[in-house]
Amino acid sequence: LAKTTQPISMDSYEGQEVNITCSHNNIATNDYITWYQQFPSQGPRFIIQGYKTKVTNEVASLFIPADRKSSTLSLPRVSLSDTAVYYCLVGPPGGGADGLTFGKGTHLIIQP
Amino acid sequence: DTGVSQNPRHKITKRGQNVTFRCDPISEHNRLYWYRQTLGQGPEFLTYFQNEAQLEKSRLLSDRFSAERPKGSFSTLEIQRTEQGDSAMYLCASSPPRTGALKTQYFGPGTRLLVL
Repeated sequence: LAKTTQPISMDSYEGQEVNITCSHNNIATNDYITWYQQFPSQGPRFIIQGYKTKVTNEVASLFIPADRKSSTLSLPRVSLSDTAVYYCLVGPPGGGADGLTFGKGTHLIIQP
Repeated sequence: DTGVSQNPRHKITKRGQNVTFRCDPISEHNRLYWYRQTLGQGPEFLTYFQNEAQLEKSRLLSDRFSAERPKGSFSTLEIQRTEQGDSAMYLCASSPPRTGALKTQYFGPGTRLLVL
């Protein structure tokens, strides 16, 4: 599975837009890009998934350039409750037989 | 609540004891995964079931670990002769058959194990 690189931590303030970029230089043709959010003492929660270009849902947008070697998760107008760890994953959309491969994620801290 | 459920949520045990965790996946999800997560790390894959068949096991799953999904619905993860290094959050996830527009895994709240 393709390895991902993302910042260890980020800080922002309430009401700001937050962009978290993930590098995945070895992404395979069949790989999807999926982002999960995890709060302390909870399981990861699916945020968004995409293959190319731009995907938007009610909580986030995902921007994927044409070469697919990176992706950017965009969280509009963050609030304190968005403080969490965000994981970028690359691989089969459902994880396949090998499961999902998580890195250490990005610890996002939102301040008042 | 129709999400993935796990029981117990917390378990404290003494070294050498056996423990068993249960996972109830989302109804009609035929794929079930177990992960382990230690502090400061992302979840690590342990094993995968498609229906009742265990199709993949990570090398992290030592012979003290066993998982079952007897009827293709709920699953159990048993750890025998627990060690302090087994202390972690054990997460279960399920996903639907490979049809439909969105294919992803849905995680339960986890079982936090502390081995004294």
